[in-house]
Amino acid sequence: GDSVTQTEGLVTLTKGLPVMLNCTYQTTYSPFLFWYVQHLNEAPKLLLKSSTDNKRTEHQGFYATLHKSSSSFHLQKSSVQLSDSALYFCAFPGGYKVVFGSGTRLLVSP
Amino acid sequence: GPKVLQIPSHQIIDMGQMVTLNCDPVSNHLYFYWYKQILGQQMEFLVNFYNGKVMEKSKLFKDQFSVERPDGSYFTLKIQPTALEDSAVYFCASSSRDRNSDYTFGSGTRLLVI
Repeated sequence: GDSVTQTEGLVTLTKGLPVMLNCTYQTTYSPFLFWYVQHLNEAPKLLLKSSTDNKRTEHQGFYATLHKSSSSFHLQKSSVQLSDSALYFCAFPGGYKVVFGSGTRLLVSP
Repeated sequence: GPKVLQIPSHQIIDMGQMVTLNCDPVSNHLYFYWYKQILGQQMEFLVNFYNGKVMEKSKLFKDQFSVERPDGSYFTLKIQPTALEDSAVYFCASSSRDRNSDYTFGSGTRLLVI
């Protein structure tokens, strides 16, 4: 069935370092991938989305490239900030709903 | 930007009682959803709703759950009777179309069943 896998549950980093959060998917639909970010006690908000193979998508310093050959849509940032500490969900449309991964919590320390 | 409003933000209720969670979606959106999140973990799909009907529901959407949107008013999730395991944050979301459309989420209703 349709699924999305995020392998890291928790990533801890020092401010200024690069980060990559992994996302792979399995779907019978033509993939349209999302990254949502959820800060503490807030609603999830859309960070990035893409359906174009091998094209980099960027927003707020984060970027991701959809690779259909490897079914991946990893989220990256070259230099994390304290404000990037949040829960990040990879997701895609499946049927009449969006399917979310289990989420990766990013903690950035000073 | 456009917002989804959820009322109440917090609710404490005795096990076995009924609770109704209210959602005011973005005005021109046509698709509505409820998700359940426990302790800042995975967003788990419960149900979606379009044109007055449930289009899809998950195994988490138990018989005690129901949704409706009478006459374009609030989109509601009703749980009757509540159980301890229903304690969670319930997020409402809406979108302008179904597939490939990103959601606008509400801020959630934190439900505690005691």
